[in-house]
Amino acid sequence: AQSVAQPEDQVNVAEGNPLTVKCTYSVSGNPYLFWYVQYPNRGLQFLLKYITGDNLVKGSYGFEAEFNKSQTSFHLKKPSALVSDSALYFCAVTFTDSWGKLQFGAGTQVVVTP
Amino acid sequence: GAVVSQHPSRVICKSGTSVKIECRSLDFQATTMFWYRQFPKQSLMLMATSNEGSKATYEQGVEKDKFLINHASLTLSTLTVTSAHPEDSSFYICSARDLQAHTEAFFGQGTRLTVV
Repeated sequence: AQSVAQPEDQVNVAEGNPLTVKCTYSVSGNPYLFWYVQYPNRGLQFLLKYITGDNLVKGSYGFEAEFNKSQTSFHLKKPSALVSDSALYFCAVTFTDSWGKLQFGAGTQVVVTP
Repeated sequence: GAVVSQHPSRVICKSGTSVKIECRSLDFQATTMFWYRQFPKQSLMLMATSNEGSKATYEQGVEKDKFLINHASLTLSTLTVTSAHPEDSSFYICSARDLQAHTEAFFGQGTRLTVV
């Protein structure tokens, strides 16, 4: 069975400091991994994805993530956090035989303080 | 990216009534759409896969007679919560993938359903 874990319920960081949101996965086969962000009472906005190729993926709003197959991780990073980055972040996985059918992690609340 | 529009964004209904939520792909055709449910401070749980021109595929534990899904065109899927009860109050979100252009799914803005 496939699963996605986000071990931290909340991450607190000061504005200007690096931000990391952790994600690990447990799947059989080759996963396709995604990061989405959700603001209160809104849908999800796509940030970035790993499908194949370069393990370092760059996405929207200055975010990036590194696919690490040996550690089965796909951590989301931003070098310098902004207060406006405060939101709920979801890691998700899907497979080629179930395109679009995402399994989400529990979500990590990011709080960036001025 | 592709745009998915969901309507209404908020709805309050009386217990026992039915509520219809629409999900539209505005600039692409979607043969498949997905409906998720999200409880407060929790993750998204897939409810069903909506297939254009055929029956929806429901996840285990989701009552298909309670949550009716219709995908009559390539740009519109609807979720109808029938005989709603307070425990159906939740945030419902749809998604779709543009098979021609993108590998990622795009989400509607969600619908906050409150049953009183």
